[in-house]
Amino acid sequence: DAGVIQSPRHEVTEMGQEVTLRCKPISGHNSLFWYRQTMMRGLELLIYFNNNVPIDDSGMPEDRFSAKMPNASFSTLKIQPSEPRDSAVYFCASSQGGGSYNEQFFGPGTRLTVL
Amino acid sequence: GENVEQHPSTLSVQEGDSAVIKCTYSDSASNYFPWYKQELGKRPQLIIDIRSNVGEKKDQRIAVTLNKTAKHFSLHITETQPEDSAVYFCAAPGIGGADGLTFGKGTHLIIQP
Repeated sequence: DAGVIQSPRHEVTEMGQEVTLRCKPISGHNSLFWYRQTMMRGLELLIYFNNNVPIDDSGMPEDRFSAKMPNASFSTLKIQPSEPRDSAVYFCASSQGGGSYNEQFFGPGTRLTVL
Repeated sequence: GENVEQHPSTLSVQEGDSAVIKCTYSDSASNYFPWYKQELGKRPQLIIDIRSNVGEKKDQRIAVTLNKTAKHFSLHITETQPEDSAVYFCAAPGIGGADGLTFGKGTHLIIQP
């Protein structure tokens, strides 16, 4: 199994541009999580999907952030317009079963830099 | 939602000694407590977890203890080795797990040779 796949691994963009991060969960996993990691705020849950349905998006910082999961094998996190304070490492994770009671497998992360 | 406090933020121990990292949580309904290890530049990975029907769980040199009454849980690493150097995160789910995991701020464990 290839594990959770994320792309791109690095993204450098200018303030105001749209950024789209992509994630492919492990086959057979039905829960998918997006996290943001910064030195100041640590590892924060942004949104979590179960069976492609958003269950908890209370961590999405503001309307500039949106996430979709059109099918069981693909999810996107979009930031429009991007701002320098969005610079962080964004992780996608997947797990079997609903809720947070099972091991989450993290992808390698996308390091986003907004200039 | 859940509030998870973790301490210390940095822990330096001599190789071969033990390390203990502690976490508290706020939601008394939480019943699953995982620990993740993140090496520099890598992704977090689960190293051990405990469910509320037990008070302690061991896996070789690592163990986790849980005190539901006091709402705290701890990670214990014995006979520390250089490869144990990493950032360790505790976590807890809120409101029956429906809210996803809330992570502590992390502990940077440094193993001194």
